[in-house]
Amino acid sequence: EPEVTQTPSHQVTQMGQEVILRCVPISNHLYFYWYRQILGQKVEFLVSFYNNEISEKSEIFDDQFSVERPDGSNFTLKIRSTKLEDSAMYFCASSEFRSLMMDTEAFFGQGTRLTVV
Amino acid sequence: QKEVEQNSGPLSVPEGAIASLNCTYSDRVSQSFFWYRQYSGKSPELIMSIYSNGDKEDGRFTAQLNKASQYVSLLIRDSQPSDSATYLCAVLNTGTASKLTFGTGTRLQVTL
Repeated sequence: EPEVTQTPSHQVTQMGQEVILRCVPISNHLYFYWYRQILGQKVEFLVSFYNNEISEKSEIFDDQFSVERPDGSNFTLKIRSTKLEDSAMYFCASSEFRSLMMDTEAFFGQGTRLTVV
Repeated sequence: QKEVEQNSGPLSVPEGAIASLNCTYSDRVSQSFFWYRQYSGKSPELIMSIYSNGDKEDGRFTAQLNKASQYVSLLIRDSQPSDSATYLCAVLNTGTASKLTFGTGTRLQVTL
């Protein structure tokens, strides 16, 4: 069964360092998302991406965050200067169609646990 | 601020019983609603989506939507220990195609 793959599964970084979280969406999917979940808290939308552009982003997704599709398979989330409060599980997701109103499922990857020390 | 509210639980039900999970949302014009299951340390997994008032059944799961009351629920019949997980209610934000707002989730424990 096709799945969204995320690497690494766990990343530890020092405060102020840059991190890149990687995702390989399902191959025929065109819409990609990043969500995060701080331990014990809600899953929060960060950004959606289509056709090499950000479609939507939340207020969390500020200038320290960026997303990129560097090649035909990878989708990355970069955090430029990590803060302690960036520690969370980051989930990548993808969907075949844009609108989740149309019985379209967003499939989530297994997540990258980011720990900022 | 659009909110999705759930009782955090834990909700404990015996094996074979019906588990009833509830969710309210603040955006009156929301149209699309989702139930996800999340095992500890794992990613959310879609169980059901519902878009119209009423009930939608899929196997042991029934989603119920009441837009007038801004209320959506999930019933799990014949609960199994493997159903023990956190159940997340998510609402598609009005005016967006893909931005989901999640509740904090209800932890369900199915006891033997």
